[in-house]
Amino acid sequence: QQQVKQSPQSLIVQKGGISIINCAYENTAFDYFPWYQQFPGKGPALLIAIRPDVSEKKEGRFTISFNKSAKQFSLHIMDSQPGDSATYFCAASIAGNQFYFGTGTSLTVIP
Amino acid sequence: GAVVSQHPSWVICKSGTSVKIECRSLDFQATTMFWYRQFPKQSLMLMATSNEGSKATYEQGVEKDKFLINHASLTLSTLTVTSAHPEDSSFYICSALAGTDYGYTFGSGTRLTVV
Repeated sequence: QQQVKQSPQSLIVQKGGISIINCAYENTAFDYFPWYQQFPGKGPALLIAIRPDVSEKKEGRFTISFNKSAKQFSLHIMDSQPGDSATYFCAASIAGNQFYFGTGTSLTVIP
Repeated sequence: GAVVSQHPSWVICKSGTSVKIECRSLDFQATTMFWYRQFPKQSLMLMATSNEGSKATYEQGVEKDKFLINHASLTLSTLTVTSAHPEDSSFYICSALAGTDYGYTFGSGTRLTVV
C-alpha cells in the first residue's frame, strides 16, 4: 500500500518555467514532509521540508505548499533551470521515524 | 550539515561471493540507520532499519540471512550481501536521521553489479 502518492511520474518544463509536483497522503499522523532531489547514480539529497503547522515554505526558487485539510502537499520550482533536471521524491514521516517515499518524478528542464 | 558517508560507491563481484557496504555518519551520532534498495527509475524500497547495539528490523520479504546488517557503533552500520546473485544487482542506499533540522540524510549510494 502506497502511503504517499506522487504525481506526475515525469515532467518536462521549459527553462524559466514553473515545475509543479504533487503528493497526497492518508495518514493524519504524519508530521514531517520533506522533498528530496536525486541525480543519477547519487543518493537523494534533502531539498526542502515542511511541518503541518505552516501552509507554505519557501527557500530560494523552491516552495512547498501544504494543504492539511486536503492532505496534499506540492513542490514548486520557480524559474526552472536545466540543472534542476533530476528525480524528485516527496516523503512523509511520523516524528522522524520510518519515512514513506512517493514513487518519484523525473523532471527534465529543456533549454 | 549532516553527512552520511557510504562506501564503496560501485562494486562488481562474482556470483556466490559476499559484499560489504559501509555507512558512516561523519559529524553526528546515528542510533538508527536505514537501508534502502532502488531499482532503475523507481522509488526507494526500505529493506531494514538498523539499530545500534541491537538486531536490525527487516521489512517483509527481505531475507535477513542474505542481507546481514550490523550496527556496532553510533556512527557505523554495515550491510553485507551474502552469496550474491545477479538478481541482487541494484543501487543500495543508507540513511540516518540527523536531527529535525537536517531531516533524513542519505549516503551517496552503492551500485552493486553481480556477474
